Amino acid sequence: RKEVEQDPGPFNVPEGATVAFNCTYSNSASQSFFWYRQDCRKEPKLLMSVYSSGNEDGRFTAQLNRASQYISLLIRDSKLSDSATYLCVVTSLSWGAGNKLTFGGGTRVLVKP
Amino acid sequence: GAGVSQSPSNKVTEKGKDVELRCDPISGHTALYWYRQRLGQGLEFLIYFQGNSAPDKSGLPSDRFSAERTGESVSTLTIQRTQQEDSAVYLCASSLRGQPRRSGANVLTFGAGSRLTVL
Repeated sequence: RKEVEQDPGPFNVPEGATVAFNCTYSNSASQSFFWYRQDCRKEPKLLMSVYSSGNEDGRFTAQLNRASQYISLLIRDSKLSDSATYLCVVTSLSWGAGNKLTFGGGTRVLVKP
Repeated sequence: GAGVSQSPSNKVTEKGKDVELRCDPISGHTALYWYRQRLGQGLEFLIYFQGNSAPDKSGLPSDRFSAERTGESVSTLTIQRTQQEDSAVYLCASSLRGQPRRSGANVLTFGAGSRLTVL
C-alpha cells in the first residue's frame, strides 16, 4: 500500500458544479497536510494547508479526518481555470532531525463549459 | 533570490553522457528537496538536504545519481552515464526549515524544473 494515495481521476466537472476528492495516508503519525496544485507542464504550487479544524479559502475547502486518515478538498462553483492536477502532501517526522514529505500521485480535475 | 531557480531549463543529451542540474533555493531556506517527475506521473522523491547535510538519500535511483549542497544554498544533482529512463523533469524545492512545525514552515516552493531528455 502506498503511503499517500489519491484517485488519479480525471474528474470531469461541469463549470459551476462542486467537486470533492480525498487523499488517504497510511502513517498515523503524520503531522502536517497540504494541497498543491500542478498545471500541465508546470511546477506544483501550494494551494492551501489543511488544519485539524478544517479550513476554507474562497471556493476551496479542506478537511482532515485523523480517525479515518484522509484529507479532502472540495471546490465549489468550479471555474475553467480550476482544471489542474491536485496533489496532496503529508509530512511526518522520520528523517533524523528533519521531516519527510510524501506526495500523492495527484487527482486530475477537468472543468468543462 | 525571490524564487527557486533551476538550470538548465531544458537539457538534451546522449545516452552515456553525464549531466549536472543546478538548483538555487530561496535565500534563507535551509531545507532543499529534489524530486523527479516522469511524463504523466507523480512526484518521485530523490533526496532531501537540511543545511549542507543529506539526512535521506533513499530516493536516489542508483549510484549513477548523486547530489551535493554547498554553503546552505546551491545544490547540484549529477547523473552519470545517463540512460533513456532518466528522461524526466527534475524539480527542486526549498522550504524555510525541515522541522515539523505548525503550518507554514514546511511549505515547499518549487522551481520550474529542469527537463532532461536522454536520446
